[in-house]
Amino acid sequence: NFMLTQPHSVSESPGKTVIISCTRSNGSIASTFVQWYQQRPGSSPTIVIFEGNQRPSGVPARFSGSIDRSSNSASLTISGLTTEDEADYYCQSYDTNNDVVFGGGTKLTV
Amino acid sequence: QVHLVQSAAEVKRPGASMKISCKTSGYTFTDHHVHWVRQAPGQGLEWMGRINPNAGGTYAQKFEGRVTMTGDTSITTAYLELTGLRFDDTAVYYCARAARYYYSGIDYWGQGTTVTVSS
Repeated sequence: NFMLTQPHSVSESPGKTVIISCTRSNGSIASTFVQWYQQRPGSSPTIVIFEGNQRPSGVPARFSGSIDRSSNSASLTISGLTTEDEADYYCQSYDTNNDVVFGGGTKLTV
Repeated sequence: QVHLVQSAAEVKRPGASMKISCKTSGYTFTDHHVHWVRQAPGQGLEWMGRINPNAGGTYAQKFEGRVTMTGDTSITTAYLELTGLRFDDTAVYYCARAARYYYSGIDYWGQGTTVTVSS
């Protein structure tokens, strides 16, 4: 099987842009869709990106997702950071048994 | 609106069993898988398995033999049962709805049920 590796933490100032990476250990990152979830302290996760680069209704356009086949990774980009974006972010994909695989999570400090 | 409402927090002794519920509403229960995900204190998300309301459960290898996921279509409720509880089973347990197209992620989450395993 495979692992999804994320940086433990990232920090950036309000108004700036941050990129959170999610690297797949083996197998192609493009073989199944990648999702991203935001989890604020004390709350349940919510989906912010699905199918690699799609935003659910209600998620600001400041959030975007992409795939880089050369580094076998997915990325979540958040522009125009606000303090409301401060949260943990998790990437998620599927293995060959259709089981869910989560990354370890990244703590974003704004 | 779609809602997943979970049962209340529980405290269990080591070796005991737990069974928590996830009452769903606002959608056709049999059209979506339900996942169970847990989060130990200060840790990340851990997938435990999923239930296809029309079929049965599929479990992460780590929990095979200890976990049972079921669904009652008459009351649109999913259940998670975990036996042989250990201290490291202390966690918040979430039920979560799979998107209509399974590979599009998890689109709705329950509020979580805190299970504490303590002697």
